[in-house]
Amino acid sequence: GAGVSQSPSNKVTEKGKDVELRCDPISGHTALYWYRQSLGQGLEFLIYFQGNSAPDKSGLPSDRFSAERTGGSVSTLTIQRTQQEDSAVYLCASSLALAGTDTQYFGPGTRLTVL
Amino acid sequence: DQQVKQNSPSLSVQEGRISILNCDYTNSMFDYFLWYKKYPAEGPTFLISISSIKDKNEDGRFTVFLNKSAKHLSLHIVPSQPGDSAVYFCAASARGGSNYKLTFGKGTLLTVNP
Repeated sequence: GAGVSQSPSNKVTEKGKDVELRCDPISGHTALYWYRQSLGQGLEFLIYFQGNSAPDKSGLPSDRFSAERTGGSVSTLTIQRTQQEDSAVYLCASSLALAGTDTQYFGPGTRLTVL
Repeated sequence: DQQVKQNSPSLSVQEGRISILNCDYTNSMFDYFLWYKKYPAEGPTFLISISSIKDKNEDGRFTVFLNKSAKHLSLHIVPSQPGDSAVYFCAASARGGSNYKLTFGKGTLLTVNP
């Protein structure tokens, strides 16, 4: 089936605006992750959803960032009052959440540019 | 403080030769290591992994070596092919409650010249 999809692929916004990024995980994957990659940096963990458990939000950089996962499938990452330092590629991944080795499959990312 | 370090931002090799990508880590709790490959405008793709109970894992042209005492791992690609040209990320996780969290290095851009 299809891989992880993300939309939009590119988003340009003005400082102070809110943005929503969407992720459609692979069907049947119960775990969903958000990462971001700032210029010249590695991927930085943001948030993790697993089934009906409370999400691990420990990687969210500020309270302007929030994420939801509705119906155990689609997820949206919302950034309120965007700042220029929020400019990055935001990557979503999903996995089967099996015990032991659990490969995360990544989407193509959303490139966010805050002017 | 970077817990996973890829000190070479780029590497260039000739087609057919061996590519060696290096990765160092500082967190002694890490016990599972992965390599991801990323082409431009695409998400990272899982390549190969190794558990800390092993020191070597091989999959076709790709071999990962782990030296726990040195907190060092390396990815060997042999023979290298032009299609291997991509950014390679090293990642690590710690088993236990937060084993889903991957900590990534900054990546190494590999260019394989025909």
